[in-house]
Amino acid sequence: DGGITQSPKYLFRKEGQNVTLSCEQNLNHDAMYWYRQDPGQGLRLIYYSQIVNDFQKGDIAEGYSVSREKKESFPLTVTSAQKNPTAFYLCASSPGDSLYEQYFGPGTRLTVT
Amino acid sequence: QQPVQSPQAVILREGEDAVINCSSSKALYSVHWYRQKHGEAPVFLMILLKGGEQKGHEKISASFNEKKQQSSLYLTASQLSYSGTYFCGTEYGTGNQFYFGTGTSLTVIP
Repeated sequence: DGGITQSPKYLFRKEGQNVTLSCEQNLNHDAMYWYRQDPGQGLRLIYYSQIVNDFQKGDIAEGYSVSREKKESFPLTVTSAQKNPTAFYLCASSPGDSLYEQYFGPGTRLTVT
Repeated sequence: QQPVQSPQAVILREGEDAVINCSSSKALYSVHWYRQKHGEAPVFLMILLKGGEQKGHEKISASFNEKKQQSSLYLTASQLSYSGTYFCGTEYGTGNQFYFGTGTSLTVIP
């Protein structure tokens, strides 16, 4: 079955540690996105990539980094520079630009203490 | 640049109708609508493009008013399964960043 996988579902880290969240898709989609969602809040774009080896910052990119070395994979690293990293992180993919729907993964809930 | 949704929250009884609005301060290129259940990923409902298109999906439909820079989602004869948070998403021009709205929490009670 085609889809997007994110792992792990729950992640716990100590403050000051970098952590990488996995996102893999087998839908052959060109575009991939990372969003952050805080309780009761909407989705805010962290980074997006429309093609392999290229990505752009969203509104809240500070303290995060990404790579897009393969079409299927778009890992997100939450660095120690991110001041409030505890949140629900959602990865999405799309066949192209905003003319196409976004398909979301199940999300990773990151807790940093 | 985040679109603003109204109302923020609404409670309906089964069978009642609701309208959720999504307003932008900038001209819209396209509007997406998604529904998210608590703790789950958002699920796509529909996309509307420039041109005042109105689309339907079962008892859920939406319109796109280019002049008002606004989209509205219409839920008719609501069912318990309609409960969740509804988000609109917009892109202001091709190749630009995608923005989700502030969200509308909808609760349908028996």
